[in-house]
Amino acid sequence: GAGVSQSPRYKVAKRGQDVALRCDPISGHVSLFWYQQALGQGPEFLTYFQNEAQLDKSGLPSDRFFAERPEGSVSTLKIQRTQQEDSAVYLCASSLIAGGPPGGELFFGEGSRLTVL
Amino acid sequence: DQQVKQNSPSLSVQEGRISILNCDYTNSMFDYFLWYKKYPAEGPTFLISISSIKDKNEDGRFTVFLNKSAKHLSLHIVPSQPGDSAVYFCAATAGGGADGLTFGKGTHLIIQP
Repeated sequence: GAGVSQSPRYKVAKRGQDVALRCDPISGHVSLFWYQQALGQGPEFLTYFQNEAQLDKSGLPSDRFFAERPEGSVSTLKIQRTQQEDSAVYLCASSLIAGGPPGGELFFGEGSRLTVL
Repeated sequence: DQQVKQNSPSLSVQEGRISILNCDYTNSMFDYFLWYKKYPAEGPTFLISISSIKDKNEDGRFTVFLNKSAKHLSLHIVPSQPGDSAVYFCAATAGGGADGLTFGKGTHLIIQP
């Protein structure tokens, strides 16, 4: 596709359920970032991939959060045993080159809105 | 501790006038700053950026000013148009690359007809 695609757009989970959020970056983009945006807040960095390598996962809030990009294209963010505080929009962004700005422009997907009841 | 602060949650401006959105930062290591625009149910889109070696960058109706000594930047939109109504996020990075961006909370700009 022409842009970054994320699915599902909306997800409602019961507390304790596991969820998986998918990101299809722009074809050929080397870098992939995940951000979490809580209501009324700006996006917060979660993790960064360069191709299939997860080079930075310092923003993942707990060990319940896990991300992968096994073939260097599609990425999945998995949240185990979801809690109410996990409710947020999860944004994926990709960049053509290694790293993001200033070297490479970041292109964001529309996000996956997760609501944990 | 918020490293990028946008202290105005919302701003209302009349169409045709100038919109000024402000952003303050605390991390002196930040060396590249960006503004993103976000419509409801869409992802943020890049608007304009500025390197710390400059104090102004202009692109059409959009100008970003950087005051390093005050750790302050502002986005000027002139003239403001109805399509400019959106949430604007200020973001910063230190050293670029894989560090990710640090975002402010955003300012909701409303252009009144």
